[in-house]
Amino acid sequence: EADIYQTPRYLVIGTGKKITLECSQTMGHDKMYWYQQDPGMELHLIHYSYGVNSTEKGDLSSESTVSRIRTEHFPLTLESARPSHTSQYLCASSAQWNTEAFFGQGTRLTVV
Amino acid sequence: SQQGEEDPQALSIQEGENATMNCSYKTSINNLQWYRQNSGRGLVHLILIRSNEREKHSGRLRVTLDTSKKSSSLLITASRAADTASYFCASSYNNNDMRFGAGTRLTVKP
Repeated sequence: EADIYQTPRYLVIGTGKKITLECSQTMGHDKMYWYQQDPGMELHLIHYSYGVNSTEKGDLSSESTVSRIRTEHFPLTLESARPSHTSQYLCASSAQWNTEAFFGQGTRLTVV
Repeated sequence: SQQGEEDPQALSIQEGENATMNCSYKTSINNLQWYRQNSGRGLVHLILIRSNEREKHSGRLRVTLDTSKKSSSLLITASRAADTASYFCASSYNNNDMRFGAGTRLTVKP
């Protein structure tokens, strides 16, 4: 089982709230990713990181922000949640680019 | 933008039959990976095939890659009910990220 953890697994919040989705890995991987996935649909890359103090935006425009202060930690923050943010958010890490990625179990976010 | 596209979108077979899923991609790649996702969970890596490889095996899985057609296929032999899941291909074409398709939803009936 992969050593990458996401919390919470499920979250229901009201519109306008600020939330942080946590992602931690214990494999020492430099590369980390956030994907957004609607049910039964493809994964869209929203953020990635090369390593500490590195963050980049992915293909899908997202109102979320990320930080990478420590190798093992890659949290995603929504300053003001909206119903359009309702989705599943998947965090992943890999040792190198283009190699096997390890995924967390995901956070299913519902904004009401 | 979406890099890979899986075909078919959904596949339903009986236990013991083989399942074949296809993936097409748009630009030259470094490698292509296949992942499995059980409902509502994260993805699990199955197999990676490099651009200079044509076929790879892992247990009941067989992956082929045709770079001239920009396509790959995943064959699961002697399928089991536990193989029921969504299967995604992910293509890597630079040193930044992987691009996933929409997946094939496989149902294996006991």
